[in-house]
Amino acid sequence: GQQVMQIPQYQHVQEGEDFTTYCNSSTTLSNIQWYKQRPGGHPVFLIQLVKSGEVKKQKRLTFQFGEAKKNSSLHITATQTTDVGTYFCAAQISGNTPLVFGKGTRLSVIA
Amino acid sequence: KAGVTQTPRYLIKTRGQQVTLSCSPISGHRSVSWYQQTPGQGLQFLFEYFSETQRNKGNFPGRFSGRQFSNSRSEMNVSTLELGDSALYLCASSLLGSDSPLHFGNGTRLTVT
Repeated sequence: GQQVMQIPQYQHVQEGEDFTTYCNSSTTLSNIQWYKQRPGGHPVFLIQLVKSGEVKKQKRLTFQFGEAKKNSSLHITATQTTDVGTYFCAAQISGNTPLVFGKGTRLSVIA
Repeated sequence: KAGVTQTPRYLIKTRGQQVTLSCSPISGHRSVSWYQQTPGQGLQFLFEYFSETQRNKGNFPGRFSGRQFSNSRSEMNVSTLELGDSALYLCASSLLGSDSPLHFGNGTRLTVT
């Protein structure tokens, strides 16, 4: 079945440093979504990207969708302790197919 | 607006038993998806229901089944439980399905002993 590769698996950063997680698919995607799961919590929707080359920003978070619609990234500028959690990408190949989640990147922020 | 409600929150069962988990979606959401989350495999798609019809099914054995009622509430059932079924089972509702954002419940933590 379809697989979505997400790297890195873990990332430890000092507070104030930047963080990036990458998501790659071998198949062209119709849309990609990003979720954050805090320790002990459930995944919470962050953003959805649909267009080729799309870039969206949410405060310190920047989301990109590749030109070929096969990869995506999430970049956090100047991390804070509140950014701690696991970030998942979730990809859809076409309409009415399920979202396939990457394995996630667990972010630790050292104060 | 109330969020997605899953019951029970925790469940302990023994091998061979069966279990039923319940999910009440956000009002107005017609799509309900179920995911299994484990440390090793991450979030694995189980199935999706839309307006009482199963629209998609993941790669899980037939012991895993589900259904959706006319009020969009959904249940999933696991029969003949195995140790490997121990996991967090997450339900997510959405307006249209995977084309739109998923809203997850807090999950049911199932432990099989």
